[in-house]
Amino acid sequence: QKEVEQDPGPLSVPEGAIVSLNCTYSNSAFQYFMWYRQYSRKGPELLMYTYSSGNKEDGRFTAQVDKSSKYISLFIRDSQPSDSATYLCAMNTNAGKSTFGDGTTLTVKP
Amino acid sequence: NAGVMQNPRHLVRRRGQEARLRCSPMKGHSHVYWYRQLPEEGLKFMVYLQKENIIDESGMPKERFSAEFPKEGPSILRIQQVVRGDSAAYFCASSPRRDPALYEQYFGPGTRLTVT
Repeated sequence: QKEVEQDPGPLSVPEGAIVSLNCTYSNSAFQYFMWYRQYSRKGPELLMYTYSSGNKEDGRFTAQVDKSSKYISLFIRDSQPSDSATYLCAMNTNAGKSTFGDGTTLTVKP
Repeated sequence: NAGVMQNPRHLVRRRGQEARLRCSPMKGHSHVYWYRQLPEEGLKFMVYLQKENIIDESGMPKERFSAEFPKEGPSILRIQQVVRGDSAAYFCASSPRRDPALYEQYFGPGTRLTVT
């Protein structure tokens, strides 16, 4: 069983829709939670970084962490065609290395 | 303010040759991580280095793979006697040195290795 499971997608939504991306994890030692966006044939770009349970908002993006359920989410409001990419969740213990989900590919149609 | 630099961006090697991948972290970053991404898969951790030290190599294959981050110069990921299964995108990430450690990592553009 993988330590991090991510909804595989692919996901296709119309422009302006609210997008929900989700990951679950099994390792209770994970303390740091990140979301990355990766465009085709590019390196991952850090979008959001959270430490504690709760919500963190940055513009159209909201990251949500529920440690009791071992569940994290990324919400994208007013989605744009430029949001079309693969989204990766990642998690760390204190050890430094990140454990990634396999990614969800999102397409936002104009 | 340059980001993480990786070179070459594309590398083609025949089976049995050596591949050397280079990574220059962001200015002021002294922590370097290497990840491998196979087609249609997520990133898999390989190794975590600080200057002149390997901190965690739990994701490195036992044979043929090695990594270093010397006092001067870029970090190097070396793959000896490459096989077709080594074909993948190899990403380097760096993070700043802070206490308590913050683990956000900034990724380079990757090196795409093709073994023929």
